[in-house]
Amino acid sequence: AQKVTQAQTEISVVEKEDVTLDCVYETRDTTYYLFWYKQPPSGELVFLIRRNSFDEQNEISGRYSWNFQKSTSSFNFTITASQVVDSAVYFCALSEAHPSSNYQLIWGAGTKLIIKP
Amino acid sequence: DTEVTQTPKHLVMGMTNKKSLKCEQHMGHRAMYWYKQKAKKPPELMFVYSYEKLSINESVPSRFSPECPNSSLLNLHLHALQPEDSALYLCASGGGPSPLYEQYFGPGTRLTVT
Repeated sequence: AQKVTQAQTEISVVEKEDVTLDCVYETRDTTYYLFWYKQPPSGELVFLIRRNSFDEQNEISGRYSWNFQKSTSSFNFTITASQVVDSAVYFCALSEAHPSSNYQLIWGAGTKLIIKP
Repeated sequence: DTEVTQTPKHLVMGMTNKKSLKCEQHMGHRAMYWYKQKAKKPPELMFVYSYEKLSINESVPSRFSPECPNSSLLNLHLHALQPEDSALYLCASGGGPSPLYEQYFGPGTRLTVT
């Protein structure tokens, strides 16, 4: 069965620190997609990244970077030089690529990130 | 600015009321979704419309009734709700109902049932 685990319920750091949010997934499929979404206090979920299972290259976008490691079934997210505006709940999600899964997103429980000024 | 809009932002309704939530997307997407999110939990999928046809109905009670008038609009009709239905209701759209396409979410409607 597919599952996404975000073991860190809440992380609190001081502004400008680097912070890594962990995501571990389980799936029997060889083809799948992983996502990260950000949900600020306003409530809207903001898409950050999609990665497919055949692309293990790390991704960097500004202060954000993602480390995908199939060997450990992890897709971790790092924010460098964190800012107060990064405070939000971050969700990792998995979607399998076969029709019988209905392509649904399997969500992790989320990690609440608090950046203190 | 989000390209998925939802109205109203907040809604308080009694258990005997009938109300509707509205969602509109301006991205030409062919899949639209309704999610329910309780506090401190991830979103739960309720319905998926693909090319204006209902493709997934996650055993949602009949007091929730979705409608997709056209490819840009998605409604959720509410009737005889219970207090436990109080939640954030999120609409999303995507290029298609597959993980090849990311989902873009609206700001949500915070619903309180009294």
